[in-house]
Amino acid sequence: GAGVSQSPRYKVAKRGQDVALRCDPISGHVSLFWYQQALGQGPEFLTYFQNEAQLDKSGLPSDRFFAERPEGSVSTLKIQRTQQEDSAVYLCASSPRGGRVPGYTFGSGTRLTVV
Amino acid sequence: GESVGLHLPTLSVQEGDNSIINCAYSNSASDYFIWYKQESGKGPQFIIDIRSNMDKRQGQRVTVLLNKTVKHLSLQIAATQPGDSAVYFCAEKGSSGTASKLTFGTGTRLQVTL
Repeated sequence: GAGVSQSPRYKVAKRGQDVALRCDPISGHVSLFWYQQALGQGPEFLTYFQNEAQLDKSGLPSDRFFAERPEGSVSTLKIQRTQQEDSAVYLCASSPRGGRVPGYTFGSGTRLTVV
Repeated sequence: GESVGLHLPTLSVQEGDNSIINCAYSNSASDYFIWYKQESGKGPQFIIDIRSNMDKRQGQRVTVLLNKTVKHLSLQIAATQPGDSAVYFCAEKGSSGTASKLTFGTGTRLQVTL
């Protein structure tokens, strides 16, 4: 596709449930980023991949959060034992190489609601 | 649809007027600044960027001003249109480490009235 695709668009999880959020970056984009956006706030960095290598995971809030990009294209963000504070929009972005802006394209996000 | 931000500062302007959205940044080592526009239910969309060695950059209907002395960034939108209604975020990018990581500001909601 022409843009970054994220699925599901919406996810409702019961507290304690595990969830997996998918990101399909723009074909050929080397860099992939995950951000978390709480209601009324700006996006906050979670983690960064260059191809399949996870170069920075300093923004992951706890060890319940795990991200992978095994073949250097599609990425999955997994949240184990979800808590109410995990409710947010999870945004994925990709970039052609080295994370150079303005080639930094965001997807529409997955809105996660933990009940 | 869902709202991007329910409690953000709001700027209301009349259609055709100019808009000025302000942002204060925190990291004096940042070397790159970007303005993003976010509509409800969508991800941030790039508007314009500026390097730290510049103080002004112009695009189509938009101008970004950078004042490094007071760590202030502004976005000017000329002849504001209804389609400009959205939440606007400034973001900064560092010069080292994970240089690609963006740090976003809080955001300002722009409402364009007819």
